[in-house]
Amino acid sequence: DGGITQSPKYLFRKEGQNVTLSCEQNLNHDAMYWYRQDPGQGLRLIYYSQIVNDFQKGDIAEGYSVSREKKESFPLTVTSAQKNPTAFYLCASSINGGGTGAYNEQFFGPGTRLTVL
Amino acid sequence: RKEVEQDPGPFNVPEGATVAFNCTYSNSASQSFFWYRQDCRKEPKLLMSVYSSGNEDGRFTAQLNRASQYISLLIRDSKLSDSATYLCVVMGLRGYQKVTFGTGTKLQVIP
Repeated sequence: DGGITQSPKYLFRKEGQNVTLSCEQNLNHDAMYWYRQDPGQGLRLIYYSQIVNDFQKGDIAEGYSVSREKKESFPLTVTSAQKNPTAFYLCASSINGGGTGAYNEQFFGPGTRLTVL
Repeated sequence: RKEVEQDPGPFNVPEGATVAFNCTYSNSASQSFFWYRQDCRKEPKLLMSVYSSGNEDGRFTAQLNRASQYISLLIRDSKLSDSATYLCVVMGLRGYQKVTFGTGTKLQVIP
């Protein structure tokens, strides 16, 4: 089955630790995105990648880092510099991000809930 | 003014009712529009894209009004399973440069 997977589903981190969230897709999509969602708030874009070896900061990139070494994979690292990392993290992909309409339809993975203890 | 605004609701409607949500956006250059559905503690799922000519999928109809800068979602014959939060998404001309999600409208369909 084609789709997006994220792991782990739940993650607990101690303060001061870096953690990496996995995101894999087998949809052959060029574009991938990372969002965070806080209770009662909309999704906010952390990073996006249009193509392998390229990525751009979104609205709230501080304290996060990403890589895009393979088309299928877009891992997100939450560093100790992120002040409020507890959130629901969602990864998405789209055919590409430079066109309109269907090419921008984003499909989401099941998310990772990160809690800082 | 927020870039994308939605009435948070909740909209409590009886089964079988028709309900409509609006979503206003501030950037007149926005090009792509979508409605997503999100169940509690789950990921958003694409409900439908919104085209200039409007589009319909079963009981769901989406429309775009560029002059007034809003999109709408109409749900006919509401089912209990339609209970969820509905998110609107607005993208810029070069979609990856600006993606904005609304905070969502909560719908509760009552038996």
